[in-house]
Amino acid sequence: DIVMTQTPLSLPVTLGQPASISCRSSESLVHSDGNTYLSWLQQRPGQPPRLLIYMISNRFSGAPVRFSGSGAGTDFTLKISSVEAEDVGVYYCMQGTQFPQTFGQGTKVEIK
Amino acid sequence: EVQMLESGGDLVQPGGSLRLSCAASDFSLTNYPMSWVRQAPGKGLEWVSGISTSGRTTYYADSVKGRFTISRDTSANTLYLQMDSLTAEDTAIYYCAKRTTGHGGQGTLVTVSS
Repeated sequence: DIVMTQTPLSLPVTLGQPASISCRSSESLVHSDGNTYLSWLQQRPGQPPRLLIYMISNRFSGAPVRFSGSGAGTDFTLKISSVEAEDVGVYYCMQGTQFPQTFGQGTKVEIK
Repeated sequence: EVQMLESGGDLVQPGGSLRLSCAASDFSLTNYPMSWVRQAPGKGLEWVSGISTSGRTTYYADSVKGRFTISRDTSANTLYLQMDSLTAEDTAIYYCAKRTTGHGGQGTLVTVSS
């Protein structure tokens, strides 16, 4: 199984400042079709997970432009350009390249 | 808009069974590998089961192998999870999701308790 490792697990941030979360996979996420199925999900308190970014850097419908994804191979990053209060929650990276689909441990973002 | 609507969650006694459903709209289940993912109270996301695009291959986490069965009805565009021999450790919110993106529904709550 592909292991997804996120850092940090806790991220206190200041409103209006940038924030970054890293995710590393235990093996390459490049699929045989040439795509890399790495996603970022946001889970606000009491809410189901919500897709923010798919295939490394594609913003899903409704995802704010302050969220961006980057990376390749086994190392990926989610960046928030300017944190807003509504960004509080837990962020998960996820690989969808193969079964079993696997998730990072989650990074809890809170406001300082 | 692509949507998935889960249903079938309930309170069930240990050893009991449930069947979860996931009705998909605005996309065909035959075009995507699909998963069931669960989240126990206060915990992270855990993949439970998956089905290939063709529907011919199914996959299970070790924790549910032999007890859960994933299937789909292509005419109804609905994904299912048959859950047998339930234990307290199966208590969670269950989501269906596209494997490649993780886009899923709102979830359905399964509580296993006497």
